Amino acid sequence: SQQGEEDPQALSIQEGENATMNCSYKTSINNLQWYRQNSGRGLVHLILIRSNEREKHSGRLRVTLDTSKKSSSLLITASRAADTASYFCATDADRDDKIIFGKGTRLHILP
Amino acid sequence: SAVISQKPSRDICQRGTSLTIQCQVDSQVTMMFWYRQQPGQSLTLIATANQGSEATYESGFVIDKFPISRPNLTFSTLTVSNMSPEDSSIYLCSVYRDSFTYEQYFGPGTRLTVT
Repeated sequence: SQQGEEDPQALSIQEGENATMNCSYKTSINNLQWYRQNSGRGLVHLILIRSNEREKHSGRLRVTLDTSKKSSSLLITASRAADTASYFCATDADRDDKIIFGKGTRLHILP
Repeated sequence: SAVISQKPSRDICQRGTSLTIQCQVDSQVTMMFWYRQQPGQSLTLIATANQGSEATYESGFVIDKFPISRPNLTFSTLTVSNMSPEDSSIYLCSVYRDSFTYEQYFGPGTRLTVT
C-alpha cells in the first residue's frame, strides 16, 4: 500500500524560481528519502532525513521533516531546466528492509 | 557507489509471450530488488531477491507470473510471463546504497510495452 502522498501531483514554474513539494505519510518512520526520476528512467537518490532531524540541506535542496504532522517538504531553490523530473518521497515505515514510495510530483521548469 | 545495468532497455512484446529482464551490478550485493512502475504511477515493489534463496514476493505478485533468478551476487533476472497489456510498465532493479537506511541505487529501467 502507498505510504507517502506527494502534493502537488504536478508543478510548473519558471526557471530561477523555487519549487516546493510536499510528502505526507501514515505510519511512524525511521527516515524519509527523496528521489528524482528523469523521463521514466532509473531513480537517483537525492537526500535522506532521519526521524530525529528537522531540516537538512544539500546544495540547492532543502528538506524538512515534521514527524508530528507526518509530513516532509522538498525545496529546490533557483530551479534549472535540468530539474525537470518526477520527485518521489520514500519511507521505511518500520518495515523490514524495504521502503515504500509515494505517488510523486512531476516538476516542469519553464524556460 | 554501485553501477547497475539492465537489459533490454525497452521492448515491445505480444500478449501471451514472456520476457526476461536482466540486471547486472558492478559489485557483490546480498539483496536485489525488483520494482514495477506503471505509466504515470509510482514504484511498486515486486520482490526481493537474495542470492541462494527463493525470492520474497510482495502481496499481489506471484512467482508463476514473475519468476526471479539470482544465480550469484552480481546478477538477477526477472521474467514477466504470459504477458497482457496490463503488464506494460517500467521494470527497475535496485540494490542498497546503505543497508541501514535502505537508500537504494537503481538501474536505468526496462520499458515494456505489451500489444
